[in-house]
Parts: sequence; C-alpha cells; structure tokens
Amino acid sequence: GAGVSQSPSNKVTEKGKDVELRCDPISGHTALYWYRQSLGQGLEFLIYFQGNSAPDKSGLPSDRFSAERTGGSVSTLTIQRTQQEDSAVYLCASTNWGGGEETQYFGPGTRLLVL
Amino acid sequence: SQQGEEDPQALSIQEGENATMNCSYKTSINNLQWYRQNSGRGLVHLILIRSNEREKHSGRLRVTLDTSKKSSSLLITASRAADTASYFCAVAYYNQGGKLIFGQGTELSVKP
Repeated sequence: GAGVSQSPSNKVTEKGKDVELRCDPISGHTALYWYRQSLGQGLEFLIYFQGNSAPDKSGLPSDRFSAERTGGSVSTLTIQRTQQEDSAVYLCASTNWGGGEETQYFGPGTRLLVL
Repeated sequence: SQQGEEDPQALSIQEGENATMNCSYKTSINNLQWYRQNSGRGLVHLILIRSNEREKHSGRLRVTLDTSKKSSSLLITASRAADTASYFCAVAYYNQGGKLIFGQGTELSVKP
C-alpha cells in the first residue's frame, strides 16, 4: 500500500506569511507525528496525535505553530507569521502505536525556506 | 535533555570494510530504532530493537542493545558505496506515546 505522503515537497515563503503543510499517513495508522530537521537543531519532535486523545504538543517551539488531524487521518501543520529560523525540513510519520506496531514510517518531508 | 548521543559524528571507510556506529541514551526506553537518510530527505527505517532484546539482524545490519550501559550499536558489514548516508538512532520512552527522540546522527562515507 501507499506510504506516508506529504505536500508540498518544497515551499518558499516570505517572512511573516502563514504556511500550511499537509501529511497523509498510512491508512489505518492510529498515531501521527510531526518532526522538524534543521541544521542547528537536528531532528526534533514537534507534536503527535494518537486516536481521539488530546495531542501531545510538548515539542512545538512557539504558539505560532499549530496542528490538527481531521477525521483521524490527514494532518495539517500550520506556521503563522513565519520567521527565518522556521526554515527546515518538516517530516511526518505514522504508526499503529498501541496496536502492536512501533516502527514509525516517515514521509519524504516538506522543505520550507523562509526568506 | 533526553536526546541520544551518537558517535562518531562522521565515519569514512573503504568498500568492503565494516562500519560501526554507537548510540547512547539517558533513561529507560521502550524501544530503539535506527534510520538511514540520504541527501537530507525522508528517513528510511532500518531496525527496531525492543528493550527486552539484546541483538537483531537484518541482512548486513546487526544491532545490539545494552540496557545496563544505555547504549546501542549498529554494525554494517561488507559496506558498499550505496551505504553512504546519514544514520540516526532514535529512542521511544515509556508513557510518551511512541514519540522518538533522535541522536545527532553519524555521517557515513563509503569510498569505492
């Protein structure tokens, strides 16, 4: 079946604009994760969704970042009033955590450049 | 920080040689996973080892886990130029919903 997909692949935006990044997880996976990879910070956890539970937002770097997961499937990560330090690759992963699956499967990422 | 640490940061070897990368972490884990990344894009899952396991194999890959030392190693045997990539370990802690905490990665270069 299809893996995790993300769109867009690349996004260039101007400082101060809002951006939306999309993630389509593997069908049937209950858990969805967002990570960010930047030169200075390496790979860092941002937020995760598990079933109908409240999301764990502990990794979001500021209140400009938010995410939602509609219908237990597709997720959107929104960054408001983007800053240059938001430039990074944003990675999404999914798994069937709690359903006997622990391996996280990653999408190809969205490369965000804030000018 | 709960972040794992990896060493070496960079490793350069000749084709046919073995490559060993190490990862350490701080507190008890649920599982530890190794990933490969080519050219800064998506992460490819290599092996998952659970806290009650000590060794796992997959093709030319061997992963060991020593929970007493809170460390893991990834061994790639008979390396090939195509193994050139960045390798990351990531740990999932108990009661944290499976979110992964990544190490800084090891950049492996295999020269033909």
